[in-house]
Amino acid sequence: DAGVTQSPTHLIKTRGQQVTLRCSPKSGHDTVSWYQQALGQGPQFIFQYYEEEERQRGNFPDRFSGHQFPNYSSELNVNALLLGDSALYLCASSLYAGDRTDTQYFGPGTRLTVL
Amino acid sequence: GNSVTQMEGPVTLSEEAFLTINCTYTATGYPSLFWYVQYPGEGLQLLLKATKADDKGSNKGFEATYRKETTSFHLEKGSVQVSDSAVYFCALRPGAGSYQLTFGKGTKLSVIP
Repeated sequence: DAGVTQSPTHLIKTRGQQVTLRCSPKSGHDTVSWYQQALGQGPQFIFQYYEEEERQRGNFPDRFSGHQFPNYSSELNVNALLLGDSALYLCASSLYAGDRTDTQYFGPGTRLTVL
Repeated sequence: GNSVTQMEGPVTLSEEAFLTINCTYTATGYPSLFWYVQYPGEGLQLLLKATKADDKGSNKGFEATYRKETTSFHLEKGSVQVSDSAVYFCALRPGAGSYQLTFGKGTKLSVIP
């Protein structure tokens, strides 16, 4: 049973560029969440996608956008990169369960470095 | 708002020592609580969870009890191993209508032989 996969593993960009990160959820899952983890910190919630729509968003600027495809995979796009965007970006998948707890399972992450 | 506070690290223990990592939370409603573990260079792995007051989550010798009266979810293990060396994150998911996880800053554990 494949777990959550993310690509690429590492990425180096320069300020002002745009980046796209990709995530494939665990088999059987239909919901994808994205988190940003700065060095030495806990992950911060960016947004969650379900049924190809953004269901909830954290405190991140509009430079951060996403998409979910019919096969439940997802992309995270970041425009106009800043040095402060350097972080580990984690994707988590889960199975929608209404108001009940939907445990999120994390991928290995994409390490983004902005120079 | 929602928040999670973990004890500051790093924590260094000898093999077979007893482990406690404190976690307290602030949340509206009835959150679910989680412990995740992150090994060097890897993503987060779910260690255990509890969804209501007095629930005890357990896995791989680790356990934590959801204490609503003290808003705590402390992680414990009776005898740690070198392979337990990692960063441990306490997290909460608020009640109905919110799907995001709110994490603490993490506690780095190093176990020495």
